This record gives sequence, C-alpha cells and structure tokens, in this order.
Amino acid sequence: QSVLTQPPSTSGTPGQRVTISCSGSSSNIGGNTVNWYKQLPGTAPKLLIYSDNRRPSGVPDRFSGSKSGTSASLTISGLQSEDEADYHCAAWDDTLNGPVFGGGTKLAVL
Amino acid sequence: QVQLQESGPGLVKPSETLSLTCTVSGDSISTYYWNWIRQAPGKGLEWIGYIHYSGSATYNPSLRGRVSMSVDTPKNQFSLKLNSVTAADTAIYYCARDDGYFAYWGQGTLVTVSS
Repeated sequence: QSVLTQPPSTSGTPGQRVTISCSGSSSNIGGNTVNWYKQLPGTAPKLLIYSDNRRPSGVPDRFSGSKSGTSASLTISGLQSEDEADYHCAAWDDTLNGPVFGGGTKLAVL
Repeated sequence: QVQLQESGPGLVKPSETLSLTCTVSGDSISTYYWNWIRQAPGKGLEWIGYIHYSGSATYNPSLRGRVSMSVDTPKNQFSLKLNSVTAADTAIYYCARDDGYFAYWGQGTLVTVSS
C-alpha cells in the first residue's frame, strides 16, 4: 500500500491531453514539493518534473506539473506513442523523514 | 557525467542477508545524500533509506531494524545490508543520488529471495 495514491492506469490517443493525479496528506504533498518520474519497462525511473512544476533539461514542455493542497497532477499534452510508460509521483514525508511514492500509473497510448 | 552502478548477488536464501554495493562515478560521494530504493515485481517504488558520507543514515521504519547502510569514501561506494530476508524482499534494488529529488539512478539489480 503506497502512501501516495495514483490511479493504476489511464490511456489516451495521440495528440490528446492526459492528466495523472497523485493524492497525499499534509505531511507530504501538503507541506513539501512533488516530483514525478517516468519509467519505461526494464529501466530505472527517470526524473520528469521536480519541485512541483519544474522540468529538467531535455524534458519537453508537453509535460507539466501542478499542485493544490494535498494533491498534485502531471499533465501530458500532445500525447505521443513514446509517452507510453509508468509514471510515479513522490514527495518528502515529514512523518517518515524520507520520501514517499505513489503506486505508479501505467499510461497506454491507444 | 554522474553514473551509479549496483552490484551484488542476484539470489539470496530466506533468513539470510542481502548485501549490495553502489559504485558512484563522475561525482564525489562526499556530497549529497545517497539512497536505496526498491521495486517489487509489478509494484511501486519503496524508499529503503539514505546515507551521508559522514556515515549518518536514516532508514524506512517499515523495515523494522533489518536494514543498515555504510559508505566507503576512498572507493566512492555505499552499501546496503538487509538481514532476515523473506520472499517479500524480492525486488529490483536501485541506488540513487538525492538532490531533493532523484535525478541520478543506477540501472537497478534484481534480487530474488528463494531457497
């Protein structure tokens, strides 16, 4: 059982916009920044969004993050076939004194 | 270019100790905090703990005192030990650098707990 809650799966068609939600509590998302990771099968997670809405160098601006209260969202605009992957949210947890993760959302591009 | 590489046995017997090492290149281990994270088959990511080059470490309480970490500064390595393992500890184990987020990860190593 993951501390942060994500939908197990979602899907979209090429060109569409999809949003993945991540729900937490005051001890994690409510008081700390959220990071998002993209994971392709058989590979390590890759940082996609950090500090709620910042993109590392090389990440397309089709990817954006937002946060409100104890929930966060990752939005992918102009969906492409290479976006098919697992997406994980994460945030520091003040109770755990460490990072917590969501269970991951599998995105299918139909 | 920062690179991390996990190494260690891929098979551990139940009740024995899992031991892994992460070798860091392109960066000094004497900066940042260094983490272990695992992912059971078909599951999400689970933080195991982090260690500072000083040797100060913080662990996930869910591992109930079974975990310890250490650093070897001259070798630019840090290590994980998880004792009394069960099948539930079967997972891909990743090491990662902590920048407040995880920008650098090892490729991961699958550890299977089985007799």
